[in-house]
Amino acid sequence: AQTVTQSQPEMSVQEAETVTLSCTYDTSENNYYLFWYKQPPSRQMILVIRQEAYKQQNATENRFSVNFQKAAKSFSLKISDSQLGDTAMYFCAFMNNNAGNMLTFGGGTRLMVKP
Amino acid sequence: NAGVTQTPKFQVLKTGQSMTLQCAQDMNHEYMSWYRQDPGMGLRLIHYSVGAGITDQGEVPNGYNVSRSTTEDFPLRLLSAAPSQTSVYFCASTGAYTDTQYFGPGTRLTVL
Repeated sequence: AQTVTQSQPEMSVQEAETVTLSCTYDTSENNYYLFWYKQPPSRQMILVIRQEAYKQQNATENRFSVNFQKAAKSFSLKISDSQLGDTAMYFCAFMNNNAGNMLTFGGGTRLMVKP
Repeated sequence: NAGVTQTPKFQVLKTGQSMTLQCAQDMNHEYMSWYRQDPGMGLRLIHYSVGAGITDQGEVPNGYNVSRSTTEDFPLRLLSAAPSQTSVYFCASTGAYTDTQYFGPGTRLTVL
């Protein structure tokens, strides 16, 4: 079974600054996907960024980028130029595509962007 | 496309009552799943289905039943509600050849 750990329950950052959220995972699989989801107070689950394990290049989506270290089983999210709308819960998630595409989530990090 | 829809959005039950949470998707996705989210925690998988007539248990299946008679619908049944089932429930769907899960808006359930 897979496990996903987010060691930072809460973080805060000043508007326009950069923040990094940490995530580590444990698996014996070689082919898998990793995701970061954002959950604002509306509780809607919003996909932020995804990474295929077979790709060495780190994924980037506008102000969001990841640092994927496969050997270390680490998958951190960097948010650049933080905006007030980035305030939310952020969840790291693992998917083994041999298991019905189901997700295993970390416990989440609550991010507060301060004006 | 409406995507993934869930009803109801809110529900209050008394201990021992039963109810069904509805989930439907209009994207012709093969895979559907139910997760629960307890306060301050991540989502945990309850049950999932890889196609009509096929279901399997996830991490926390006790106290819940599912069935998948059509591709579109995947209802979650609480047999005898307990306070420990107070949670927010999310339904999700994805295609067999895609890795992106589409989530419904969630159902907040309170069991008194």
